[in-house]
Amino acid sequence: EIVLTQSPATLSLSPGERATLSCRASQSVRNFLAWYQQKPGQAPRLLIYDASNRATGIPPRFSGSGSGTDFTLTISSLEPEDFAVYYCQQRGTWPPTFGQGTKLEIK
Amino acid sequence: EVQLLDSGGGLIQPGESLRLSCAASGFIFNNFAMNWVRQAPGKGLEWVSSLSGSGANTDYADSVKGRFTISRDNSKNTLSLQMNSLRAEDTAVYYCAKGTQWLRGGAFDYWGQGTLVTVSS
Repeated sequence: EIVLTQSPATLSLSPGERATLSCRASQSVRNFLAWYQQKPGQAPRLLIYDASNRATGIPPRFSGSGSGTDFTLTISSLEPEDFAVYYCQQRGTWPPTFGQGTKLEIK
Repeated sequence: EVQLLDSGGGLIQPGESLRLSCAASGFIFNNFAMNWVRQAPGKGLEWVSSLSGSGANTDYADSVKGRFTISRDNSKNTLSLQMNSLRAEDTAVYYCAKGTQWLRGGAFDYWGQGTLVTVSS
């Protein structure tokens, strides 16, 4: 199965700053990569699907890029509600797998 | 508005069985694959099982194959997960998640609130 490695494990930033989160796949997943946000005690929420498409209701400060094995989630200007854990997930090869997560914390 | 309501979790002893349910509303249920994803305490997300819109195609993670059975009732808009021979390592919050397409393989665009399963003696 495909292993997704997210970096960094923890990212400490301040509101208003730009966040860049990385996800690397052990083999190509084409563009079949999604990003999810999870806040404590809540279910994950889909942010980005197929590498660069924002899900319904997701604000434009969230953007995704990449293809093959290297992907990036960018939050252009952090809002207080953006501090959470972010997971990538691939569906390019069965079974679907998730990365281990990046915790975005307030500096 | 899409809503998924998970239920059925609880404290159970190793080797016993439990059935989880997910009540869906706000979309055409039989048009989409449905999935179960779990999260052990303090850990990341793990896909468990998927079921196509018709219910004809099922898939399971190796860790649960032969012990868990996914099913759906399209007349009642409900998804179920029958879990047998439970182990301590099955302890997790279980989420039902809607797929983005009829067959397996889509992203997971809506999630239930989760139901906690604790396997312990």
